[in-house]
Amino acid sequence: EPEVTQTPSHQVTQMGQEVILRCVPISNHLYFYWYRQILGQKVEFLVSFYNNEISEKSEIFDDQFSVERPDGSNFTLKIRSTKLEDSAMYFCASRASGSYEQYFGPGTRLTVT
Amino acid sequence: AQSVTQPDIHITVSEGASLELRCNYSYGATPYLFWYVQSPGQGLQLLLKYFSGDTLVQGIKGFEAEFKRSQSSFNLRKPSVHWSDAAEYFCAVIGGLTGGGNKLTFGTGTQLKVEL
Repeated sequence: EPEVTQTPSHQVTQMGQEVILRCVPISNHLYFYWYRQILGQKVEFLVSFYNNEISEKSEIFDDQFSVERPDGSNFTLKIRSTKLEDSAMYFCASRASGSYEQYFGPGTRLTVT
Repeated sequence: AQSVTQPDIHITVSEGASLELRCNYSYGATPYLFWYVQSPGQGLQLLLKYFSGDTLVQGIKGFEAEFKRSQSSFNLRKPSVHWSDAAEYFCAVIGGLTGGGNKLTFGTGTQLKVEL
């Protein structure tokens, strides 16, 4: 069964460093999402992406965040200058055209020290 | 803006007992509702969804949920819980169709513990 994959599973970085979280959505899906879950809190929407542009973003998704689909398979989330409060689990999701079901990857746990 | 409330943070049930996890949503129009499950160290797995039609929907792993518009609820149920059902359960809503967006709004989750 097709699934969303994410790498790395765990990333540790120092405050102020740039990180790139990678996702491979399900191959025939056209809509892509990033969510995050700070430890002990709810899953929060960050950004949605379709047709090579951002469809919607939350207030969390400020100028330090960016997303990109660099090729036909990968979808990335970049955090330019990480802060302690960026420590969270980051989930990638994708969905097919004509469907409302989003399929999630296993997540990347980001720890900023 | 849409919102989701899961009133129970933790629930403990005995294996073989029935289960009901509560979910209330706030949205002006007909919502699209989902239940996801997250096992430790795992991602979010879709259990079931409601878009329209029959208000009782069946999902995977023997779960079902009932949409009640009058109560703004979408409670998750299972007749007989298995130890492997221990996980965190999230209710979520898509509050409307916004172009290519359709972001999910999640509740805070209910942690289910199953006693053997």
